[in-house]
Amino acid sequence: DAKTTQPTSMDCAEGRAANLPCNHSTISGNEYVYWYRQIHSQGPQYIIHGLKNNETNEMASLIITEDRKSSTLILPHATLRDTAVYYCIVRVLTTGTASKLTFGTGTRLQVTL
Amino acid sequence: DGGITQSPKYLFRKEGQNVTLSCEQNLNHDAMYWYRQDPGQGLRLIYYSQIVNDFQKGDIAEGYSVSREKKESFPLTVTSAQKNPTAFYLCASSAGQASTGELFFGEGSRLTVL
Repeated sequence: DAKTTQPTSMDCAEGRAANLPCNHSTISGNEYVYWYRQIHSQGPQYIIHGLKNNETNEMASLIITEDRKSSTLILPHATLRDTAVYYCIVRVLTTGTASKLTFGTGTRLQVTL
Repeated sequence: DGGITQSPKYLFRKEGQNVTLSCEQNLNHDAMYWYRQDPGQGLRLIYYSQIVNDFQKGDIAEGYSVSREKKESFPLTVTSAQKNPTAFYLCASSAGQASTGELFFGEGSRLTVL
């Protein structure tokens, strides 16, 4: 699975958009980009995933560059409850097999008043 | 509600003792996983199971053992052979066929060796 690079930490004011970048320059054509977040002392929570098109759900938007070498997770209106560690993961999606996702150290997002 | 239940939430153990962490899911998922997390670190895969009665080692399986006798249960035993067992342990599950690859996590079990 391709390796990802994320900033160690970021700050965001409450109510503003939080844009979390992820670099995955060695991504293969069949690898998906996944985002999870982990609030302190809890299990990680799935946010969104995509292959090449931009994706949006009720939690966030995922913007993947045309060359797929980087992506950005956007939380449109960050709240204090969005303070967490955000993990960007890339892996091949193969149905019928275990999803062995590799979690790095992620980006610690601090949302402030 | 459907989900993953881990117990106990906190556990203390003396050196040399084995301890078993419970993980139960009612999501009807085929695959289950155990991860370990140390302070300030990411998650590392210990063991995973794709179907009942089958499991494979992850990246850090030494000193751990698992069983998968039922689809909904995947207990993890931390043995005395594990050199540094104090950590936060997370269980997860995912659907098999036609899955999006999404993992569903429990709330974790924090093990402290005294």
